[in-house]
Amino acid sequence: EVQLSESGGGMVQPGGSLRLSCAASGFPFSSYALNWVRQAPGKGLEWVSSIIGSGDSTFYADSVKGRFTISRVNSKNTVYLQMNSLRAEDTAVYYCAKGGLNSWYFDLWGRGTLVTVSS
Amino acid sequence: EIVLTQSPGTLSLSPGERATLSCRASQRLDNTLLAWYQQKHGQAPRLLIYGAFSRATGIPDRFSGSGSGTDFNLTISRLEPEDFAVYYCQRYGGSLTFGGGTKVEIK
Repeated sequence: EVQLSESGGGMVQPGGSLRLSCAASGFPFSSYALNWVRQAPGKGLEWVSSIIGSGDSTFYADSVKGRFTISRVNSKNTVYLQMNSLRAEDTAVYYCAKGGLNSWYFDLWGRGTLVTVSS
Repeated sequence: EIVLTQSPGTLSLSPGERATLSCRASQRLDNTLLAWYQQKHGQAPRLLIYGAFSRATGIPDRFSGSGSGTDFNLTISRLEPEDFAVYYCQRYGGSLTFGGGTKVEIK
């Protein structure tokens, strides 16, 4: 079955760190870009970060640049999002999303994992 | 930075009616690199349309995309009960940007 499954969310204090994981199955993992998109409670969608299939290039939204790091291990069909120096405004459901073929729309989404930053 | 503005914020319609959702870009989009997503309450988004016009796999033909330049539309020809949801447009040429969303609710 073609699917993405996120894990690693939870509650963390401001300034803390968290690492999200996204496990993929059912498609040639290393051939596709993987992305993280977040949604704050009651708000719209916000692109966070992307990594190409080889892992050689990464991209970040200005709001997380310098604090978040995206990476992937193709042998494990897994993409990660290391989140440091977390702020209250990072509170959101974080979705893992697969890129389209040679394109940057998102044709497969995971169910999401909730990250809450609060003291 | 290109901003996508979706209108209306909320669309109140009855099943069987036609829905037209708008997505306007602050600058011309090259190559119609625009997608539409549907998100039902408590669920992840689902890709409906890519390349402004092309339906994603498994999407019913009552969903159609149109437009170019700065103005794009998503049309649902006849609303089914399962179509009441929030819809987002996304630019994916250059920066990855979402519009603010349009909620289609039952009148």
